[in-house]
Amino acid sequence: DAKTTQPTSMDCAEGRAANLPCNHSTISGNEYVYWYRQIHSQGPQYIIHGLKNNETNEMASLIITEDRKSSTLILPHATLRDTAVYYCIVRVAGTGNQFYFGTGTSLTVIP
Amino acid sequence: DAGVIQSPRHEVTEMGQEVTLRCKPISGHNSLFWYRQTMMRGLELLIYFNNNVPIDDSGMPEDRFSAKMPNASFSTLKIQPSEPRDSAVYFCASRHSGGRSYEQYFGPGTRLTVT
Repeated sequence: DAKTTQPTSMDCAEGRAANLPCNHSTISGNEYVYWYRQIHSQGPQYIIHGLKNNETNEMASLIITEDRKSSTLILPHATLRDTAVYYCIVRVAGTGNQFYFGTGTSLTVIP
Repeated sequence: DAGVIQSPRHEVTEMGQEVTLRCKPISGHNSLFWYRQTMMRGLELLIYFNNNVPIDDSGMPEDRFSAKMPNASFSTLKIQPSEPRDSAVYFCASRHSGGRSYEQYFGPGTRLTVT
């Protein structure tokens, strides 16, 4: 399974864009990149996912490099409520449903 | 929709007692997952069901743990006997497996403390 590498923690000023990187250099061609976040004391929350193309939804944008070895989650205007642990996950090919959550990036949005 | 519902939200029990955690998935979802989260090990998948059938229970730590899904709207995770090292937050998640997306929806979790 493709492993992901994320920085342990990041800070971002309120109102600014938060750019969270993720490396997944061993990703295979049919594996998607998923992003989830977990706000303290809550269950993980789906944010966005993609395969090759950049994706955008009401929560965030996902930029995937052309070689697919890394990606960046962008929160365009971070708020205090975006303070959370952000997980980058690559779905394991051939096993259907499992997600393997790593340690994620702890994002702190500063007023 | 109310989302994934878990009960109880908090459980405190003594070592050796039986503990039963409950989960109601989102209506229409046919895959259900049980996770455990601790500071030391992070978020771990314990078991998942597809159409009420257990597919992979390789994450279940030992025989003291068992999970059932008697119907599409209910699942239980049981620990018997419980031990202090079982203290963790247990999450249930569900998804609809018919589409191409593997997006999972998580419940609020059950915080278990075994003394």
